[in-house]
Amino acid sequence: IAGITQAPTSQILAAGRRMTLRCTQDMRHNAMYWYRQDLGLGLRLIHYSNTAGTTGKGEVPDGYSVSRANTDDFPLTLASAVPSQTSVYFCASSELAEGEQFFGPGTRLTVL
Amino acid sequence: GQNIDQPTEMTATEGAIVQINCTYQTSGFNGLFWYQQHAGEAPTFLSYNVLDGLEEKGRFSSFLSRSKGYSYLLLKELQMKDSASYLCAVSDSNYQLIWGAGTKLIIKP
Repeated sequence: IAGITQAPTSQILAAGRRMTLRCTQDMRHNAMYWYRQDLGLGLRLIHYSNTAGTTGKGEVPDGYSVSRANTDDFPLTLASAVPSQTSVYFCASSELAEGEQFFGPGTRLTVL
Repeated sequence: GQNIDQPTEMTATEGAIVQINCTYQTSGFNGLFWYQQHAGEAPTFLSYNVLDGLEEKGRFSSFLSRSKGYSYLLLKELQMKDSASYLCAVSDSNYQLIWGAGTKLIIKP
């Protein structure tokens, strides 16, 4: 593993289903983030974690949850998917909260 | 509220120079970032400004005026591979990044 990986690469999901997007980094970065990117809009922060064991809500947290049990992993869960959650999801990490962020390759999620 | 504005799309010619502007209004300021994003790929870091002035890095330069809430990214000697979206992001008082919608740059031969 080099950098940040995300899984799956893409997914089509029926509305109402539960889904977990996985994110793993091997840079020992303290901070991690989940964003969604929609056409015509900037990246929007869903949840973040400044250090293992802590999480915080971003701009658009409703319908999503995260956990940060260790430094490397930061999964994002959609408890009951809705069509408005169709988007490209990016995980990112930074050494410190104020530093440059490194992005994973993204997960393209379609909720039908 | 917090707001980042940048042009939606720009067109330039290979070999030329282009300037992409970004204006911002945020609650607090802890620096401004520029990222490049090719279609279907993840954003990658280009530059960071926290003090007023120009930061130069090869063909790319970034300028910041905190009093005006203004930044620009200058790309020189444009190459076809520079065709991408350029994202402006401001780090607010909580060190969270507020992102502009991005400027799609089209390079013509």
